[in-house]
Amino acid sequence: DADVTQTPRNRITKTGKRIMLECSQTKGHDRMYWYRQDPGLGLRLIYYSFDVKDINKGEISDGYSVSRQAQAKFSLSLESAIPNQTALYFCATSDPSRGGTEAFFGQGTRLTVV
Amino acid sequence: TQLLEQSPQFLSIQEGENLTVYCNSSSVFSSLQWYRQEPGEGPVLLVTVVTGGEVKKLKRLTFQFGDARKDSSLHITAAQPGDTGLYLCAGFDRGSTLGRLYFGRGTQLTVWP
Repeated sequence: DADVTQTPRNRITKTGKRIMLECSQTKGHDRMYWYRQDPGLGLRLIYYSFDVKDINKGEISDGYSVSRQAQAKFSLSLESAIPNQTALYFCATSDPSRGGTEAFFGQGTRLTVV
Repeated sequence: TQLLEQSPQFLSIQEGENLTVYCNSSSVFSSLQWYRQEPGEGPVLLVTVVTGGEVKKLKRLTFQFGDARKDSSLHITAAQPGDTGLYLCAGFDRGSTLGRLYFGRGTQLTVWP
């Protein structure tokens, strides 16, 4: 089983609909991240959370919200989806407290807004 | 503004050729990481370089961190089709409030048989 699991893997939704992408991890890491990947633009940070009580905006948070339900769960919501939010979304975790800086990624959610 | 610039953006070569991918920045990073991403998957860490001038080897892949810790390169010797993928560099900024990673836009490598 994957250490970082994203659901769904693929989703097609209509403009204006609310959609939630979910992420769960079994690595026991405090830090969790949501990234968006578009061709030629690399990975851009949407939101990040250092622990259950901590939520921070990344570079492109407009149009998105998040919820950290538990250490292991971090969900991303699009309140009213629009076509330019069509992208590949990744959840990631890290644990810098142990000296490591590696990010562990889920398999991604491909979202299409029509 | 992109903190890390990767070049080239695309690279298409024949099996057996050598190649180098570059990752450059005007900022100093605590460490620099290289990830490889295959279609339908998330990025997976290949290596982390920490010390200026450091060189690490992973089979046919050689990674180097610049002396000033602002740039890095990835050299692949005798490329194989299995090396095909998106290569991402990421700089770790321990000094920021986030202690976070900044990603480059990636180099898409295709190795033809």
